[in-house]
Amino acid sequence: KNEVEQSPQNLTAQEGEFITINCSYSVGISALHWLQQHPGGGIVSLFMLSSGKKKHGRLIATINIQEKHSSLHITASHPRDSAVYICAVGGAGNMLTFGGGTRLMVKP
Amino acid sequence: DTGVSQNPRHKITKRGQNVTFRCDPISEHNRLYWYRQTLGQGPEFLTYFQNEAQLEKSRLLSDRFSAERPKGSFSTLEIQRTEQGDSAMYLCASSYRWGSGELFFGEGSRLTVL
Repeated sequence: KNEVEQSPQNLTAQEGEFITINCSYSVGISALHWLQQHPGGGIVSLFMLSSGKKKHGRLIATINIQEKHSSLHITASHPRDSAVYICAVGGAGNMLTFGGGTRLMVKP
Repeated sequence: DTGVSQNPRHKITKRGQNVTFRCDPISEHNRLYWYRQTLGQGPEFLTYFQNEAQLEKSRLLSDRFSAERPKGSFSTLEIQRTEQGDSAMYLCASSYRWGSGELFFGEGSRLTVL
């Protein structure tokens, strides 16, 4: 069993839909990261959180430490949101263990 | 540009050759990480530096792999006697030890071993 599991692996949505990506982890963490990766490889950090909820624009990330679960929500999705979204958990020294990613395609 | 810079962006080599990748982190960042990502998978941790000290190495890092950060600034990742299984994207990230912990990633160096 992987230490970080994401679901779904692939997601296709219509523009405007509300999107949820889930992440479950089995190890103790100091923080959880949500990352966005576009084709070509570049990774951008979206959120780093250790409790509660964070919001940035149309993106919302939540974490439940007791249940070892986090969700990334995208409201009013847009084709430019199409990317791979990766959940990663950080331990000592902020070394990350990554989930396999969720490939999102938003169709116009 | 003050982001994390990686060179070369793409490298095609023949099996058995040595390759070296360079990472220039954001200047005030004292932590530097190397990750490897194969197609369709999430990145995997390879190694981590705090300043010039290599503090952690993954078991994925065989003896053909070596990483250095001699002056606590840029880092190099060398792969000796490359194998086809080494084909991957090699990602570098940096962070500031006393900051929020947010990681900043480079664009990656894609290696293809023929």
